[in-house]
This record gives sequence, structure tokens and C-alpha cells, in this order.
Amino acid sequence: EVQLLESGGGLVQPGGSLRLSCAASGFTFGGHALSWVRQAPGKGLEWVSAITDSGGGTYYADSVKGRFTISRDNLNTLYLQMNSLRAEDTAVYYCGRDSPVITLWGQGTLVTVSS
Amino acid sequence: EIVMTQSPATLSVSPGERATLSCRASQSVSSTLAWYQQKPGQAPRLLIYGASTRANGIPARFSGSGSGTEFTLTISSLQSEDFAVYYCQQYNNWPPGTFGQGSKVEMK
Repeated sequence: EVQLLESGGGLVQPGGSLRLSCAASGFTFGGHALSWVRQAPGKGLEWVSAITDSGGGTYYADSVKGRFTISRDNLNTLYLQMNSLRAEDTAVYYCGRDSPVITLWGQGTLVTVSS
Repeated sequence: EIVMTQSPATLSVSPGERATLSCRASQSVSSTLAWYQQKPGQAPRLLIYGASTRANGIPARFSGSGSGTEFTLTISSLQSEDFAVYYCQQYNNWPPGTFGQGSKVEMK
């Protein structure tokens, strides 16, 4: 089955760190760029970051630049390292296949930043 | 940054009726426009890209049109499974690929 499965979300204090993972299956992982998109509770979609198929190019929204790092490995997993977290980073984080048009979405993982 | 504005915020439609959603860009994005559908508690799903090309497996009742700054998503005959929130996304000026705020299609 073609799917993406996120993990790693949870409750973290402001200023803390969290690493999200996204496991891909059912397609040729190395042939696709990958994306992260988030959705704050009750709000719309916000593009966060993307990485090229080779991993050689990375892109970030201004709101997370310098705090978040996207990466990928050769074992079909995408990552998002999130540092210096703020309350406004609270959201469901979705990983996605391809960029800029996201052709396949994971089910999402909730990140809550609160003291 | 290009701002995407969707209208209406909410559209009340009866099953079998036609639904038309609009998306306007603050500057031209050519035909680099995608539409996504999101049902409650679910991840978004790609419907349309390139303003008018249906993604794999998307029923023919979904159609997209427009170019430049004005775009339309039309659902020709609403089915019960089509009640959802719809988002447009421009990717002409990327990054970022900015999304609209969403339009909710609800049952009348």
C-alpha cells in the first residue's frame, strides 16, 4: 500500500525540541521530493518545509527558518527536527510526497507547545 | 508573498446540485494552482493541479478552471462524500506554496 506514516508528535514546553519522522512505503522513496505542511487547530494549511529527491536542496517557510531542519535518509524516512519551539508552532504536522504539489499526504501527527 | 483568497467561506448545497468555489491570487500565478479536499479528521487529498488537471483517481465531477489570478473549482453534482473543506494552493512563486484559507461545502 502506498502510504506515509508520521510519528514523534507530542507535548513539549516552549523553547523545547522535537523530531518528527515520516515513514514511506509502497513507492520509490528516492524518486520524490518531500514536504511538511502544518495545520493549527481549527485553521488552514501552512507549508513548512520541503526537500529535494536527492536531499541536496532544502526549503523553509520564514516562520520556521533557523529553527527547523528537514532531512531524509536512505531507509524511506523523512524527518523534521524542530528546535526553539513556540506556542504558535502548535499544529498537526503532515508529511507529503512531492513538492510543491503534494500528491500524497500522511495522516498527521499533533505537536502541542505549552507549559 | 502571494496571498490566496477563497470564496465563499461556506457554501450550503443540496446533494445532486452544482457547487462552484473561487480562488483569487494577489498576483498572477499562471496555471500553477492546485486544489485539495479535506474531510473532518482526515488529511488533505489532492484533487486538481495545473489549474485543470485531475489527480489520479479523482472523479470527473470535479473540474478546475482559470489562469492568472482567478480560479474556479466546480463539483458538477454533489455526492454525500463531497461535503468537506476545499483549499487552493499556488506554486508559481515557490517557496512558499501559499494556501487559501479554505471553503467549506456543507449540506443544505
